[in-house]
Amino acid sequence: KAGVTQTPRYLIKTRGQQVTLSCSPISGHRSVSWYQQTPGQGLQFLFEYFSETQRNKGNFPGRFSGRQFSNSRSEMNVSTLELGDSALYLCASSLAGQGWDGYTFGSGTRLTVV
Amino acid sequence: GDSVTQMEGPVTLSEEAFLTINCTYTATGYPSLFWYVQYPGEGLQLLLKATKADDKGSNKGFEATYRKETTSFHLEKGSVQVSDSAVYFCALLDYTGTASKLTFGTGTRLQVTL
Repeated sequence: KAGVTQTPRYLIKTRGQQVTLSCSPISGHRSVSWYQQTPGQGLQFLFEYFSETQRNKGNFPGRFSGRQFSNSRSEMNVSTLELGDSALYLCASSLAGQGWDGYTFGSGTRLTVV
Repeated sequence: GDSVTQMEGPVTLSEEAFLTINCTYTATGYPSLFWYVQYPGEGLQLLLKATKADDKGSNKGFEATYRKETTSFHLEKGSVQVSDSAVYFCALLDYTGTASKLTFGTGTRLQVTL
């Protein structure tokens, strides 16, 4: 059974550019969440999607956006990149919409902004 | 808001030593609780979970008991191995009925030596 797949694994972007990250959840999982991991702030919640609807959003500026497609695949976009956006971005999926079964995480996309 | 507090690391142990990583939480209601582990260069792996008071989660020799009276979920293992060296995160699930998200502690790095 395939796990959560995130692409690309690594990205280097320049300040001011935009970036799109992709996440394919485990087959059958309809809930997809995104987290940002940095050494200074730790793991912070970005968004949660369920059946193509954003159900929850963390405390991030509007430059961070996302969406979910009908096949449950999700993308997140960051526009006008800043140096502080350098982080590991993790996607997680859950079978149960409530998350009680525990989320399965992907390996992440390491974004470096220079 | 919800929060999770973990003991500061790093924790350095000799192989076969007993491990305890403390975790306490603050939340309204009775959230589900999780321990995740992160190996270098990888995403988070669900280690164990507990969904209600007095539940004991266990996996791969690790255990944690959901203590409502002390709002704690301490991780224990009787005999650690070098392969257990990783960063361990305690997390709680905030489910509002329409949306869910994980709130993580800061992580505790465990280093096991021969």
